[in-house]
Amino acid sequence: SQKIEQNSEALNIQEGKTATLTCNYTNYSPAYLQWYRQDPGRGPVFLLLIRENEKEKRKERLKVTFDTTLKQSLFHITASQPADSATYLCALANQGGKLIFGQGTELSVKP
Amino acid sequence: KAGVTQTPRYLIKTRGQQVTLSCSPISGHRSVSWYQQTPGQGLQFLFEYFSETQRNKGNFPGRFSGRQFSNSRSEMNVSTLELGDSALYLCASSLDRTSGNTIYFGEGSWLTVV
Repeated sequence: SQKIEQNSEALNIQEGKTATLTCNYTNYSPAYLQWYRQDPGRGPVFLLLIRENEKEKRKERLKVTFDTTLKQSLFHITASQPADSATYLCALANQGGKLIFGQGTELSVKP
Repeated sequence: KAGVTQTPRYLIKTRGQQVTLSCSPISGHRSVSWYQQTPGQGLQFLFEYFSETQRNKGNFPGRFSGRQFSNSRSEMNVSTLELGDSALYLCASSLDRTSGNTIYFGEGSWLTVV
């Protein structure tokens, strides 16, 4: 069955460092992959979308890579700040648009 | 412009009752999808509606149903509530998901079944 795995452990890093979150998937050929941020008690907020034919996408301090051979996406936050502390979700979709979410990785950035 | 609006924000129901949750999408968005989020299972897709038609459905029992109105507003209904239905129910809207458009989530409806 389709499976998405994100870093199961919470990620704790120091302010100013680069946070790297991993999203691995099996038994799936996604048309695109998305990353979301979710704060406690709030709905997820869209951050970035990367398509199957794209290797890398950037937006300000955020960078996403997508390796369809390794079946993996990496999400980087450079120069991290305490305000970046949240849970980050990856989601995959086929051409039909049905999204499947990972369990999320909790990121904590310490000052 | 206004975001996705979900009502009610919080509600408590008793086992066996039914509940209806409402979602108003962003103006101009025709696709509305629903998700259930629990600590153990994460975000799980319930169903998606586009132009009043259910386009996709997740693996949930028939007690979970939904509909979309001509103004794109959507409702989901859960009948014969069980304790395990306690969750955050999220609605998301987009112009049209099939082309990878951005989806926007509401703040969710917190359902507690006692």
